[in-house]
Amino acid sequence: GAVVSQHPSWVICKSGTSVKIECRSLDFQATTMFWYRQFPKQSLMLMATSNEGSKATYEQGVEKDKFLINHASLTLSTLTVTSAHPEDSSFYICSHWAGKNTEAFFGQGTRLTVV
Amino acid sequence: GQNIDQPTEMTATEGAIVQINCTYQTSGFNGLFWYQQHAGEAPTFLSYNVLDGLEEKGRFSSFLSRSKGYSYLLLKELQMKDSASYLCAVRDGDYKLSFGAGTTVTVRA
Repeated sequence: GAVVSQHPSWVICKSGTSVKIECRSLDFQATTMFWYRQFPKQSLMLMATSNEGSKATYEQGVEKDKFLINHASLTLSTLTVTSAHPEDSSFYICSHWAGKNTEAFFGQGTRLTVV
Repeated sequence: GQNIDQPTEMTATEGAIVQINCTYQTSGFNGLFWYQQHAGEAPTFLSYNVLDGLEEKGRFSSFLSRSKGYSYLLLKELQMKDSASYLCAVRDGDYKLSFGAGTTVTVRA
């Protein structure tokens, strides 16, 4: 199956700073990657769809200027949480599909804590 | 919008069987997935149904009825390591997944 590597696995940052999360496709060229956020005991909520070489598509209610997505190559997508606040503390997970008839493969997730 | 419902919690005894139900109302349907997620970890794939009927994979089976908007995940011969959250997800379109809130299964000795 397709392998997705996500870093860092956890990060603690001060309020007002920015944090970058990387998602790499190790054995598959992913033109599209998906970023999810999960609050404790809640569902995974799709934040945005990252498209290689073009702008990301954001879900309703997700601030594109706060959650910057860059997908400059077929193997790397990054999510930058800008001017982080405690309410941004969450579990962020990326995923991609190896094809229409496969399952979605997920990164290991990043636990962000803003203090 | 998407509406995917599953029970919040279930408890069962080691060696027993547990059935997790999922009902959905979505704008589109292109398959239903079940994932297992341990606390603080990424989801791992369990099963996929796109046609009506039962899919069996070892101790895990999944059933789908598209006309009823209903699926279940059946876990047999429960083991302690099966204690986790189980997520029902519907694919709408080619790649977009909508998730239910997850069912936390606790297996007791």
